[in-house]
Amino acid sequence: GQNIDQPTEMTATEGAIVQINCTYQTSGFNGLFWYQQHAGEAPTFLSYNVLDGLEEKGRFSSFLSRSKGYSYLLLKELQMKDSASYLCAVRKYNFNKFYFGSGTKLNVKP
Amino acid sequence: DGGITQSPKYLFRKEGQNVTLSCEQNLNHDAMYWYRQDPGQGLRLIYYSQIVNDFQKGDIAEGYSVSREKKESFPLTVTSAQKNPTAFYLCASTSDNNEQFFGPGTRLTVL
Repeated sequence: GQNIDQPTEMTATEGAIVQINCTYQTSGFNGLFWYQQHAGEAPTFLSYNVLDGLEEKGRFSSFLSRSKGYSYLLLKELQMKDSASYLCAVRKYNFNKFYFGSGTKLNVKP
Repeated sequence: DGGITQSPKYLFRKEGQNVTLSCEQNLNHDAMYWYRQDPGQGLRLIYYSQIVNDFQKGDIAEGYSVSREKKESFPLTVTSAQKNPTAFYLCASTSDNNEQFFGPGTRLTVL
């Protein structure tokens, strides 16, 4: 493994903002990816960071600090449909292999 | 529409049988991947292929085999040597701009 850590589960309220953290330890880092996965379905791509800083895509933003081995996914104006698991994945230069964290299950309540 | 298809969606197998999971993509992607996901866990890499006629073992390749005879196709065979094959299997491909697309998955259950 590549020591990718995420909280197991989080709960937030509809309309609020939630931040899901991801820490990693790896050599040959070549990008950090966030995916959303609803129960029983395949993951869908949300965002990608290869350089330090914030990437914004509508209600979703992702931040990366390579020196700290740290990323977060920020979800704004939470909706009930955002209830899902969020997977953090690190890509390595070596054959572009992806390594996934165990995922954070987000529960959005009314 | 472009995308990745996997079949079947649900598969049941008796112990001791080999079974092949299909993965086809019409996205013209060179790189393709097979992952396994167990309940409450992330994805673990079984095999990957960067180009036709070439593939590499991932972290949990034992008991599995693949082929990549065509760019569009990357089938995975789960052999009887795989001791705990019941899982959700996901096929993926990666575009030139680094986005990884997943198929809908095949849920394999060994009876």
